[in-house]
Amino acid sequence: GAGVSQSPSNKVTEKGKDVELRCDPISGHTALYWYRQSLGQGLEFLIYFQGNSAPDKSGLPSDRFSAERTGGSVSTLTIQRTQQEDSAVYLCASSISGIRLADEQYFGPGTRLTVT
Amino acid sequence: AQSVAQPEDQVNVAEGNPLTVKCTYSVSGNPYLFWYVQYPNRGLQFLLKYITGDNLVKGSYGFEAEFNKSQTSFHLKKPSALVSDSALYFCAVRDTGTASKLTFGTGTRLQVTL
Repeated sequence: GAGVSQSPSNKVTEKGKDVELRCDPISGHTALYWYRQSLGQGLEFLIYFQGNSAPDKSGLPSDRFSAERTGGSVSTLTIQRTQQEDSAVYLCASSISGIRLADEQYFGPGTRLTVT
Repeated sequence: AQSVAQPEDQVNVAEGNPLTVKCTYSVSGNPYLFWYVQYPNRGLQFLLKYITGDNLVKGSYGFEAEFNKSQTSFHLKKPSALVSDSALYFCAVRDTGTASKLTFGTGTRLQVTL
C-alpha cells in the first residue's frame, strides 16, 4: 500500500521567506509526527498530532514554526521568516495510533529545505 | 527524560562477517526500543522493535537485536553482513509520556566492504 508521502522533496528559499511543507500520512493512521534531521543535531521531534486532540507542540524550536492537520489526515508544517539555521531535512511519520506505544512509526522520504 | 546513546559514529565490517551496532538507553519505566535504517536520500525505514518478551528480537533483512536490561543495551546484529547493508542506523526509544514521540540516537554509519 501507499506509504507516507511528502512534498516538495526539495525546497530552496531565500532567508526571510515563508515555506510550507506537506505530509500525507498512511490512510487510517491517527497519529502524525514531524521531525527535523540536521547535520550535527541528529533527529529531533517537532510536533505530534493524535486524532482530534490538541497537538503536542513541545518540540517546535520557535514561534516561527507552526503546523496543522486538516480532517485528521494531511498535515502542513509552516516556517515563517526562514533563517539559515532552518536548513535541514524535515521528516514526517505516521502510526496507527500514538497511544499504543508498541506501534512503530512509518516515515516519509523527507523534504530537504535549504535557506540561502 | 529518556535518552539513547550510539557510541560509534561509524562501524566498518567486511562482507560476510558478523556486524554489531551498539545502542544504550535510559528510560524510566519499561523501555520500548526501535531500530531504523536510512539509506541515502531516503526516509527512515523500520527494522525491528522490542516491547516485551524474548530478549532476542528478529527483524527485516536478517537483522536482529539483543535486549539486555541489566546493561540497558539494545545492540543491533547481523550474522553475515552484505555490502547493501551500508547505511545509517538509528536506535530510538519511545516516550512513555503524552507525546509518544521517538527519541533517537545520533546514528551510526555502517560501511560494509568487499
